Amino acid sequence: QKEVEQNSGPLSVPEGAIASLNCTYSDRGSQSFFWYRQYSGKSPELIMFIYSNGDKEDGRFTAQLNKASQYVSLLIRDSQPSDSATYLCAVRDSWGKFQFGAGTQVVVTP
Amino acid sequence: DADVTQTPRNRITKTGKRIMLECSQTKGHDRMYWYRQDPGLGLRLIYYSFDVKDINKGEISDGYSVSRQAQAKFSLSLESAIPNQTALYFCATSDIDTDYGYTFGSGTRLTVV
Repeated sequence: QKEVEQNSGPLSVPEGAIASLNCTYSDRGSQSFFWYRQYSGKSPELIMFIYSNGDKEDGRFTAQLNKASQYVSLLIRDSQPSDSATYLCAVRDSWGKFQFGAGTQVVVTP
Repeated sequence: DADVTQTPRNRITKTGKRIMLECSQTKGHDRMYWYRQDPGLGLRLIYYSFDVKDINKGEISDGYSVSRQAQAKFSLSLESAIPNQTALYFCATSDIDTDYGYTFGSGTRLTVV
């Protein structure tokens, strides 16, 4: 079992709708959680991080964390074609290294 | 200039050749990492270094070696390249406090024929 699991997608979302991405992790000691966006052939770029249970909002993005359920999610509101990318969930272990999920491909359709 | 620079950006090499991928950073970060990315498998850690004198194997270090020449430089070598090492390779850096995540280089696309 991979330490960080994501649905691979593609997740097709109409323009203007909400995209909901999910991530589960196996290490209960994990403390920090990150979402990266990666365009095809490009490097990942950090869009959100969250440490505490609950929601964290940044513009059109909201990260949600539930440590009891070992679950972190990302909501993208008012999805735009430029949001079409692969979204990587990353979990920081106790040594400071990250475990990455395989990513969820999001396709925003006009 | 980019904070984390990888060279070359693209490389095609033959099976059995030795190849070096280079990474340099201006972030002043102590920690540096090498990852490879394959479709459907995500990012997998090859080697990491928490300071100049510290080198650690990641989950897929076989067939690779690294050198941390300075705080700012971390090179990845494929001693004898094989086709299944064809992948997109990323260098990343982080501060000791990784609360703010990694900074990635722009990647090296390596093809072994």
